[in-house]
Amino acid sequence: LAKTTQPISMDSYEGQEVNITCSHNNIATNDYITWYQQFPSQGPRFIIQGYKTKVTNEVASLFIPADRKSSTLSLPRVSLSDTAVYYCLVGEAGRRALTFGSGTRLQVQP
Amino acid sequence: KAGVTQTPRYLIKTRGQQVTLSCSPISGHRSVSWYQQTPGQGLQFLFEYFSETQRNKGNFPGRFSGRQFSNSRSEMNVSTLELGDSALYLCASSDGVNTAFFGQGTRLTVV
Repeated sequence: LAKTTQPISMDSYEGQEVNITCSHNNIATNDYITWYQQFPSQGPRFIIQGYKTKVTNEVASLFIPADRKSSTLSLPRVSLSDTAVYYCLVGEAGRRALTFGSGTRLQVQP
Repeated sequence: KAGVTQTPRYLIKTRGQQVTLSCSPISGHRSVSWYQQTPGQGLQFLFEYFSETQRNKGNFPGRFSGRQFSNSRSEMNVSTLELGDSALYLCASSDGVNTAFFGQGTRLTVV
C-alpha cells in the first residue's frame, strides 16, 4: 500500500480557499486517490476521488500532477463548518480494507 | 437511498463483558467493513465481509469477531472487554467497485 504524508494541521479563515497537499511517492498504477472528511465522533465522509489531472464536484477539487506522486485537495471559500480532519487515502478503487493515516486537522476561524 | 446505519450509537460496558454492534449497509451493497478509531491509534481496519464471507482481516486479537447475514447486515462482537477497547467503532459499506461509505459509528465505553 502506498504510504501518504499530509500536514498534521492547518489554519484558515472563513471565505478563504484551502489547499491540503498529500504526498504518495509509491503510488501504484492501479491506485486512486480518495479524500475523506471527518467531524468529531462521526464516521468519515467521502469528499472526492480521482486518478489523474483534475476532478471537481460540488464540494471540492482534486488536483493530481502527471507523476501522481502527490495530490492537492482544494476547498473553495471555507466556512466554520469545514473545521474537521481530512484524510488522504491511496489504493485500488473499490478497495475495502482502507488504510488511514493521521490526517490533516483543519481549523477555520471566523 | 438510506445511508449506513449503525446501532446502538452509544454503549457502556464493564470489563470482562461482551458486546455486539450492528451495521446495516446501503441497499445493494454487499461489502461491509469494520474499523476501530481511538485517539492513540487512529482509524484501524478490523475486518471485511462480502457475501457472508470474511475476506480481509486486520491485526486485532481473536476477541474481535464478526459475521454477515444474507441480507448483508453485519454484526461485530467483542468478547472479554478491556478498557483499551473503548473506541468509536465504524462500519463502512461498499459495492466492491466504488468508494466506501461510512456510518455514524458506535461509541463504546468500557468501564
